[in-house]
Amino acid sequence: AQSVAQPEDQVNVAEGNPLTVKCTYSVSGNPYLFWYVQYPNRGLQFLLKYITGDNLVKGSYGFEAEFNKSQTSFHLKKPSALVSDSALYFCAVRDSTSGTYKYIFGTGTRLKVLA
Amino acid sequence: DARVTQTPRHKVTEMGQEVTMRCQPILGHNTVFWYRQTMMQGLELLAYFRNRAPLDDSGMPKDRFSAEMPDATLATLKIQPSEPRDSAVYFCASGLVSGSGSTYEQYFGPGTRLTVT
Repeated sequence: AQSVAQPEDQVNVAEGNPLTVKCTYSVSGNPYLFWYVQYPNRGLQFLLKYITGDNLVKGSYGFEAEFNKSQTSFHLKKPSALVSDSALYFCAVRDSTSGTYKYIFGTGTRLKVLA
Repeated sequence: DARVTQTPRHKVTEMGQEVTMRCQPILGHNTVFWYRQTMMQGLELLAYFRNRAPLDDSGMPKDRFSAEMPDATLATLKIQPSEPRDSAVYFCASGLVSGSGSTYEQYFGPGTRLTVT
């Protein structure tokens, strides 16, 4: 069975500092991994994905994430946080070899960037 | 700029009434997903379709919820009868998640905020 864990409900970081939002996953086969961001009263917005290839993927708004197969992790990072990055972040996984198109979302991590 | 659209954006109804939510997926996408978001349960997958065929609706209460895709440009989610515990934000998402040219990510609509009193 697929699962994804976001161990932190909230992450606080000072503006200008690097940020990390953690995600670990469990799938039987090869994972497709995604990060989404949700601003208040909005739908989820796609940030970046890992499908295959380079373990470091870059996405929108200066975000990047590193796929680590041995640690089954896909942490979201940004070198310098902005106050406008404050939002709810979701990690999601799909098992590419399961024959299902079901995506499993984490519980979300609230990022608060302090001015 | 292609987007998923959902109507209505807000719906307040009384317990026992029928509720219909509509979604227009992005043109060309072959998969449509319905999710429900609440504070307590987070984001739950209710049902999804590929090429308009329902693939999995195991996340839906079968006795009151139904999901359909009458055509490629319209997906509907119905609740009949509605109950207060159905109060949530319902999201539709579409994607090109299988077959040639797949990009795999989903694009979400703005959601329908449902309140059942």
